[in-house]
Amino acid sequence: EAGVTQFPSHSVIEKGQTVTLRCDPISGHDNLYWYRRVMGKEIKFLLHFVKESKQDESGMPNNRFLAERTGGTYSTLKVQPAELEDSGVYFCASSRWTGWNYGYTFGSGTRLTVV
Amino acid sequence: DAKTTQPNSMESNEEEPVHLPCNHSTISGTDYIHWYRQLPSQGPEYVIHGLTSNVNNRMASLAIAEDRKSSTLILHRATLRDAAVYYCILTSYDKVIFGPGTSLSVIP
Repeated sequence: EAGVTQFPSHSVIEKGQTVTLRCDPISGHDNLYWYRRVMGKEIKFLLHFVKESKQDESGMPNNRFLAERTGGTYSTLKVQPAELEDSGVYFCASSRWTGWNYGYTFGSGTRLTVV
Repeated sequence: DAKTTQPNSMESNEEEPVHLPCNHSTISGTDYIHWYRQLPSQGPEYVIHGLTSNVNNRMASLAIAEDRKSSTLILHRATLRDAAVYYCILTSYDKVIFGPGTSLSVIP
């Protein structure tokens, strides 16, 4: 089966611009997660979708971040307007069932650089 | 929230066993211990997980202390492809707390 696909793999934008990251989970995986690692920090949870519904968005840093998963398939994460501190690597993961004990598959990440 | 501590980096000679430690002294009774690793330019990939008992799979072994306050990931024979950042992760249902990770270097 195809893995979790994220694009773009890299994005460089200026402060104040808008960027949209996309994640295509493994087909049939109802659960989709977004994580990110900013420079020098640990990987942090952002939010969790079950199908098209947001199950948990407690990790979203502020209202400049908007995640959607229309139709319960792929998901987008929009940052508007981007700030310097948003630079980092954004990972997406998916799983068929809810709960880490069932195992999660991560994408290769999108490296976002805000200049 | 439970947290983990790991050494920043470790080195191993190729084809020798590697023991990667993780401390999680504030672990709760429902937290599972997961290990993921991240190869260069890739996302984290699953290695192994356990609750109380030691676990073995084709990739590695996981030794969990009796009091569950620490665990050790064991790679039985390190290869160059095992060079990666290894994350010790505590999970409870769908709540995840990543540790800082240990960067493992494998010396030919």
